Amino acid sequence: LAKTTQPISMDSYEGQEVNITCSHNNIATNDYITWYQQFPSQGPRFIIQGYKTKVTNEVASLFIPADRKSSTLSLPRVSLSDTAVYYCLVGGSARQLTFGSGTQLTVLP
Amino acid sequence: DAGVTQSPTHLIKTRGQQVTLRCSPKSGHDTVSWYQQALGQGPQFIFQYYEEEERQRGNFPDRFSGHQFPNYSSELNVNALLLGDSALYLCASSLTGEGMNTEAFFGQGTRLTVV
Repeated sequence: LAKTTQPISMDSYEGQEVNITCSHNNIATNDYITWYQQFPSQGPRFIIQGYKTKVTNEVASLFIPADRKSSTLSLPRVSLSDTAVYYCLVGGSARQLTFGSGTQLTVLP
Repeated sequence: DAGVTQSPTHLIKTRGQQVTLRCSPKSGHDTVSWYQQALGQGPQFIFQYYEEEERQRGNFPDRFSGHQFPNYSSELNVNALLLGDSALYLCASSLTGEGMNTEAFFGQGTRLTVV
């Protein structure tokens, strides 16, 4: 299972764009990159998933360079309610999700 | 459409006791995974059930066991509880198929406290 490295914490202000980068140097050819969001005492919630280039949905964008050894989750115009832990996961399916410690994002007013 | 539901939401047990946690997967999903999340850490994979059998298992002792029923719901059993078993237990459901990008949906979790 590919190991991921992401910042432990980040602070931002309301209305700003937030970019969280994840390193996954040992990503396998058939691995997808998935990001989850988790609020305290709740289960993780799927945000976005991608394989290469760029993926965008109503919540976020995911940028993946050609070598796929890293990825960047972009949250546009964050609000206080985006304060949460964000996890980057690498794998081929929902079989065994390997969570790291995640990035604690704190959005300040 | 109901998502993943877990019961109970909170539970307090005494060291040495046994506990059973329950999970109903999202409608249409056939695969259930269980995770343990200690305070301040990411969820750790316990095991996964598909077609009523344990398909994959993480690094957890045999005190942790499970079951999946024909309706795809699942139970997690923990015997001989230790103080270190205190955690948020999460159930995730997904659909096993040919696609490689299946998404897992998580329940709200069961907060287990062992005293």
